[in-house]
Amino acid sequence: GNSVTQMEGPVTLSEEAFLTINCTYTATGYPSLFWYVQYPGEGLQLLLKATKADDKGSNKGFEATYRKETTSFHLEKGSVQVSDSAVYFCALSPQGGGSNYKLTFGKGTLLTVNP
Amino acid sequence: DTEVTQTPKHLVMGMTNKKSLKCEQHMGHRAMYWYKQKAKKPPELMFVYSYEKLSINESVPSRFSPECPNSSLLNLHLHALQPEDSALYLCASSRGGGAGELFFGEGSRLTVL
Repeated sequence: GNSVTQMEGPVTLSEEAFLTINCTYTATGYPSLFWYVQYPGEGLQLLLKATKADDKGSNKGFEATYRKETTSFHLEKGSVQVSDSAVYFCALSPQGGGSNYKLTFGKGTLLTVNP
Repeated sequence: DTEVTQTPKHLVMGMTNKKSLKCEQHMGHRAMYWYKQKAKKPPELMFVYSYEKLSINESVPSRFSPECPNSSLLNLHLHALQPEDSALYLCASSRGGGAGELFFGEGSRLTVL
């Protein structure tokens, strides 16, 4: 079956530090890949996505590149801010679309950014 | 501002109570979802409605009863819950199936005493 493995947290950084959160996946074919973010006390928000190999998703200074050869979709940001403190979930949606509504989530990584 | 609205934000209920969670979206999305999220865990899918028909039930106990009165509304009826059902219940919507791009509400935090 499909699975997503992301680095265990928590991750604690100082403001302006470089962020990487690793995510690898197991799935057949070419799934769509996502990063969702959950700020304290809120629901999840889509941060970025990529739907085919070598696509780069980007938003709010965050980037992730869909690497088919390494089955990875690592999240990066060059300079984090205190406001980036949240839980980050990597997720995949199987190839094929149609009526497949199931997202597979990673376990989540808690990021804390200190001033 | 989230475009998926959930009410109430907080709910405390006893094990013999009957209550409902409500969700509304006006984005014209045709799929709507209920997820359950425990602390420090990813969301777990409970139900999916597609074009107002129940398409996925992830073997959820019958004390949870979903309802989709129309394409914009989704309810979750709760009856005879257990303390272990205490969690954040998230509603989400998507344009259709398979794309994976979900729009989540802020959730209803349920405490069962």
